Amino acid sequence: SQQGEEDPQALSIQEGENATMNCSYKTSINNLQWYRQNSGRGLVHLILIRSNEREKHSGRLRVTLDTSKKSSSLLITASRAADTASYFCATAAEGYGNNRLAFGKGNQVVVIP
Amino acid sequence: GAGVSQTPSNKVTEKGKYVELRCDPISGHTALYWYRQSLGQGPEFLIYFQGTGAADDSGLPNDRFFAVRPEGSVSTLKIQRTERGDSAVYLCASSPLAGEYNEQFFGPGTRLTVL
Repeated sequence: SQQGEEDPQALSIQEGENATMNCSYKTSINNLQWYRQNSGRGLVHLILIRSNEREKHSGRLRVTLDTSKKSSSLLITASRAADTASYFCATAAEGYGNNRLAFGKGNQVVVIP
Repeated sequence: GAGVSQTPSNKVTEKGKYVELRCDPISGHTALYWYRQSLGQGPEFLIYFQGTGAADDSGLPNDRFFAVRPEGSVSTLKIQRTERGDSAVYLCASSPLAGEYNEQFFGPGTRLTVL
C-alpha cells in the first residue's frame, strides 16, 4: 500500500530563514497534500497538489511534486515563530479519490525567534 | 462557523472496558473520516463514511473497532475490550464531498489512554 513518508527530520531554524522538508511515496496518486499539526492535536490543511501539477504556491508555501521520483517537497519561506509545528505529507491513492489519506511520520520544525 | 468537534477531549479507561468516541462534523459535510495517531507517528486511516454508510472500513484494525453514523451527521467510534495498544489520539475529519480534491477538515482529536 502507498504511504507518504517524510525524511524524518527535526528542523531548528532562525526566524526569517527558509525551511524545506521532503516526502516520498510508493504508488500512483491522485494528489498529495501537506498538513500542519500543533501540539499533537488537530491537523490544518496547508496545500494540495494534483498529480498532474509540478509546483504550487500558497502565500509563503511552495510545494513541488515529482511523480517520476514519487517525491514532494514543502518550502516555507521567511519562517516565523508561529510556523513551529509538525508538518505531514499525505497522499490520496489513485483510484481511491481523496477518501483514505496515507500520512507520513512528519517533520518537526522549530523556528527560533 | 463551527469546525469539527470531538468529545471527549481526553478519555482514560482500563484494559477490557468499552469506550465510545464522538465526532460532530461540519454542518453539511457528507464525508466523514476517522484516523488514529500514535505518538510520533502520522495519522493512520481507519474508516470513511459517505452519508450514513461506511464506504471504506478497511483501516479498522480488528473487529473490536466499529463506527456508526446513523443520520449522516454525528459519528461514534466504538472500541470494545480495549487494550493498551489502543492508546492513541483518535482524529475525526469531514469534507463537503468525497471527491478527489476536497480538503479534509480535522477535529482536535480525542486522546485515549488505556491503563
